[in-house]
Amino acid sequence: QVQLQQWGAGLLKPSETLSLTCAVYGGSFSGYYWSWIRQPPGKGLEWIGEINHSGSTNYNPSLKSRVTISVDTSKNQFSLNLNSVTAADTAVYYCARDPCTGDCHHYYFDLWGRGTLVTVSS
Amino acid sequence: SYELIQPPSVSVSPGQTASITCSGDKLGNKYACWYQQKPGQSPVVVIYQDTKRPSGIPERFSGSNSGNTATLTISGTQAMDEADYYCQAWDSSTVVFGGGTKLTVL
Repeated sequence: QVQLQQWGAGLLKPSETLSLTCAVYGGSFSGYYWSWIRQPPGKGLEWIGEINHSGSTNYNPSLKSRVTISVDTSKNQFSLNLNSVTAADTAVYYCARDPCTGDCHHYYFDLWGRGTLVTVSS
Repeated sequence: SYELIQPPSVSVSPGQTASITCSGDKLGNKYACWYQQKPGQSPVVVIYQDTKRPSGIPERFSGSNSGNTATLTISGTQAMDEADYYCQAWDSSTVVFGGGTKLTVL
């Protein structure tokens, strides 16, 4: 059973950098696109961006200037960095998988992490 | 940027049919999917690629997508279906979510 386990700092001050990591256990890492998605408290879902095992990325244009998603295939992990955070970045952050194998998209997410609450407060 | 519009809330009586719409420009030309999210839980896909239902999702969940509107239909709605529902599509290599619809079963 494939599982996504995510971790990272839960409390940040304004202007700091948010860093989260998601590890894939119990299944293949290569050949998929892996995404980060966030959800502010009481609000809807927002896609942040994606990466595949080769390091090919796509980002949400609204966040692109502050986001970096990277991959470590030796550890079956991918990471999110979001710099210059503000209170508006307070959210639950999820990692998720598009189930298409072979550098393609099925255009949905079949596997989600449990989410990490990140709070930005001075 | 591309937008998907959902009604904020939908109410349905137990056993009746609930329909949740998702509107976007030429959405019928894209694949739409739907997620169910219960409080404190991660989203779960209930419909993908417009009409497909993942294994483990009850048959009462169905989907359609044509023109500018995708629709999630829940037939014989049960109390356990009360949740937030989000539509999602892709546009220009980016993922777009609808704003979400709170389904109340009363």
